[in-house]
Amino acid sequence: DIQMTQSPSSLSASVGDRVTITCRASQSITTYLNWYQQKPGKAPKLLIYAASSLQSGVSSRFSGSGSGTDFTLTIASLQPEDFATYYCQQSYRSPGTFGPGTKVDVK
Amino acid sequence: EVQLVESGGGLVQPGGSLRLSCAASGFTFSSYWMSWVRQAPGKGLEWVANIKQDGSEKYYVDSVKGRFTISRDNAKNSLYLQMNSLRAEDTAVYYCARGDILTGYLRGFDYWGQGTLVTVSS
Repeated sequence: DIQMTQSPSSLSASVGDRVTITCRASQSITTYLNWYQQKPGKAPKLLIYAASSLQSGVSSRFSGSGSGTDFTLTIASLQPEDFATYYCQQSYRSPGTFGPGTKVDVK
Repeated sequence: EVQLVESGGGLVQPGGSLRLSCAASGFTFSSYWMSWVRQAPGKGLEWVANIKQDGSEKYYVDSVKGRFTISRDNAKNSLYLQMNSLRAEDTAVYYCARGDILTGYLRGFDYWGQGTLVTVSS
């Protein structure tokens, strides 16, 4: 199985901050990388698919980049509703493994 | 509006069985791959299984192969997960999620249900 890692595992930030989360795959997954946001007690929400494509209805302050094994999710200006846990997922090969998550909380 | 509503979770003893259901509405259910994804309490996400539009292809994570069966009824717009020989490590919230039209989940899961909790304990 393809292993996914994320860094950092958690971070503290303030509203208005630029936030970057990194995801790394154990082998090349080209651009088959998706990003999700999950708030406590809620289902995950798809933010970015295919590494850099913004899901319909998602704010443009979210952006994704990368290819091969290294990917980043950037939140341009953190908003109060963005405090959550973020997961990456590879969809290159089954099983579609997820990263362990990055929790973004209030500084 | 796309809606996915899971049901069927609950408390079951180790070795027992449970059948989860997911009722879909607001889209052409028969056009999409569908998946089950689970999340153990306080843990991350794990894809469990998916099924092609016509049910002709099914895939599972290794840890549930031979114990879980995914199925669908397009006439009823419903997805199912039959879980047998349940173990403590199967305890999780189980989500139903919509995949792609062309492939399993190449573009990720764009709609999710609210989840149903399965607890395996004696």
